[in-house]
Amino acid sequence: GAVVSQHPSWVICKSGTSVKIECRSLDFQATTMFWYRQFPKQSLMLMATSNEGSKATYEQGVEKDKFLINHASLTLSTLTVTSAHPEDSSFYICSGWTSGKADTQYFGPGTRLTVL
Amino acid sequence: DAKTTQPPSMDCAEGRAANLPCNHSTISGNEYVYWYRQIHSQGPQYIIHGLKNNETNEMASLIITEDRKSSTLILPHATLRDTAVYYCIVSNNAGNMLTFGGGTRLMVKP
Repeated sequence: GAVVSQHPSWVICKSGTSVKIECRSLDFQATTMFWYRQFPKQSLMLMATSNEGSKATYEQGVEKDKFLINHASLTLSTLTVTSAHPEDSSFYICSGWTSGKADTQYFGPGTRLTVL
Repeated sequence: DAKTTQPPSMDCAEGRAANLPCNHSTISGNEYVYWYRQIHSQGPQYIIHGLKNNETNEMASLIITEDRKSSTLILPHATLRDTAVYYCIVSNNAGNMLTFGGGTRLMVKP
């Protein structure tokens, strides 16, 4: 299957600072990338959808000015959590979609964010 | 996207087949059934998907009923490493958002 990487795998930051998470599709070009968030013992919740070169589409309740998404190329998307607060602590997971024989989303390993 | 219903948890003996059911009674004609699994603290892993025919790959088999209102994921010889949460999702296109429900927590026991 296709491979998606995320960096960093975990990060601890102070309240009020900004954190950038990178998502890369290593062996395919992702027309669309998705960002999900997962709180402990809960399921994944979609935050936003981004198409290369376009503005991201955010789900209801997700603040676009707080969670900045950039999808500058077909292999890279970034999520920046601005002015992070403890309630933003979560597991952030990205995925990339590629059409083709196995038309499916491939997920990254996730990034654990802890805001102190 | 159609809603899916899965049992919250299941146990399976190591080496035996694990059969994970999923109900999707409101599935539309153009919606696929996708299965993913998530091992603790990792991103979801794609397993298999199908439209109406049964599908098999190196990981699992997917059996979809003729009316498409339910499906079963079969892991033929479960191992301890198959312990995970298994998500059944229906979507008309994987390029669209995938809605994750609660999934089934499969525990494979020695």
